[in-house]
Amino acid sequence: GAGVSQSPRYKVAKRGQDVALRCDPISGHVSLFWYQQALGQGPEFLTYFQNEAQLDKSGLPSDRFFAERPEGSVSTLKIQRTQQEDSAVYLCASAREWNTEAFFGQGTRLTVV
Amino acid sequence: KNQVEQSPQSLIILEGKNCTLQCNYTVSPFSNLRWYKQDTGRGPVSLTIMTFSENTKSNGRYTATLDADTKQSSLHITASQLSDSASYICVVTSVGGSQGNLIFGKGTKLSVKP
Repeated sequence: GAGVSQSPRYKVAKRGQDVALRCDPISGHVSLFWYQQALGQGPEFLTYFQNEAQLDKSGLPSDRFFAERPEGSVSTLKIQRTQQEDSAVYLCASAREWNTEAFFGQGTRLTVV
Repeated sequence: KNQVEQSPQSLIILEGKNCTLQCNYTVSPFSNLRWYKQDTGRGPVSLTIMTFSENTKSNGRYTATLDADTKQSSLHITASQLSDSASYICVVTSVGGSQGNLIFGKGTKLSVKP
């Protein structure tokens, strides 16, 4: 596609509900990143894939967060048993290589009520 | 610890004025430095990317500078427009580190008033 696509654009979840956020990177991009951005803050790293390999997941805040990219293309960020503190914008970015320009999606705004 | 610090945290200027945003980093080893513009409710969009050997790079009214010796960068915005109101994020790419090598600053929120 022309850019990084994320869906849904907005998600409202009840506390305790599981959610799945999708990221379609730019075709052919090897690197894929997930970030969490609280209101008024800069993006905070969650996890990073090189093709299908999850090379770094040190930013995932708890074991309720899980990300996958099984075929090295589309990625899904799953949050189990959502809590209010999970409310944030979740940004996905992809890059052709690790040191080239990263392109960001519009983000998914998650609100946990 | 790899860190990127930005200042000021927020800035208000009048339309037509110039401004300069600062970025200091302690990332090593260094690969490149990027400035992103993030409009409210949108994903960040790249403005400039500079490698170690580049001192300055322009993109329209945006000019970024890099001093790799002092590990400082600045983003200068000339003749500001209302549409420049956004958060400006400095990102430093490391080599072979964690976080996919991208180290983010917290951003400077710029408001341009008429």
